[in-house]
Amino acid sequence: EDKVVQSPLSLVVHEGDTVTLNCSYEVTNFRSLLWYKQEKKAPTFLFMLTSSGIEKKSGRLSSILDKKELFSILNITATQTGDSAVYLCAVLNTGNQFYFGTGTSLTVIP
Amino acid sequence: DSGVTQTPKHLITATGQRVTLRCSPRSGDLSVYWYQQSLDQGLQFLIHYYNGEERAKGNILERFSAQQFPDLHSELNLSSLELGDSALYFCASSLAGLVVNEQFFGPGTRLTVL
Repeated sequence: EDKVVQSPLSLVVHEGDTVTLNCSYEVTNFRSLLWYKQEKKAPTFLFMLTSSGIEKKSGRLSSILDKKELFSILNITATQTGDSAVYLCAVLNTGNQFYFGTGTSLTVIP
Repeated sequence: DSGVTQTPKHLITATGQRVTLRCSPRSGDLSVYWYQQSLDQGLQFLIHYYNGEERAKGNILERFSAQQFPDLHSELNLSSLELGDSALYFCASSLAGLVVNEQFFGPGTRLTVL
């Protein structure tokens, strides 16, 4: 059965901390892995990763994929209260079907 | 504002009924995706349309159907509703079809089945 597992389920940090969110997957016919941020509304797209070892960066956020070990990490440096959200990981297969993890809830305390 | 619109914002209905959710993609986007988000199941992919044709199906129940019209808006039809269908339904749009790129999500329709 195809599945995506995220850890930790929740995380509380102080402003300025660095966090690492994990996403492991077992999905047949992998195409890409995607990260989304969801505050109290709709998800917003962060990254799409297709190749191993190539880091994607956007400001204080970065992500990397390891297709051999079947996982990805999302790093957030110098966290701010605005980073508080649920971070979702999804895997897309070659049939264009998405498999989502349950998310990591991040709370950043001032 | 992502540029994706969904109507209605909220819908309250009874078991056994049928409802239609509507989605208008961003201008120029050809792909529409439908998702269901519930507390116990998380976010689940339902179906993907590209330029009027079905591209991929996920965990979509037989009681649910969707279509994308020539003007590219899409509708998700839910019939014989059950209590468990209560959820937030999102649509998203993207430019491409065969290879997924950045998706833009609408604000969602909250469906409550009583």
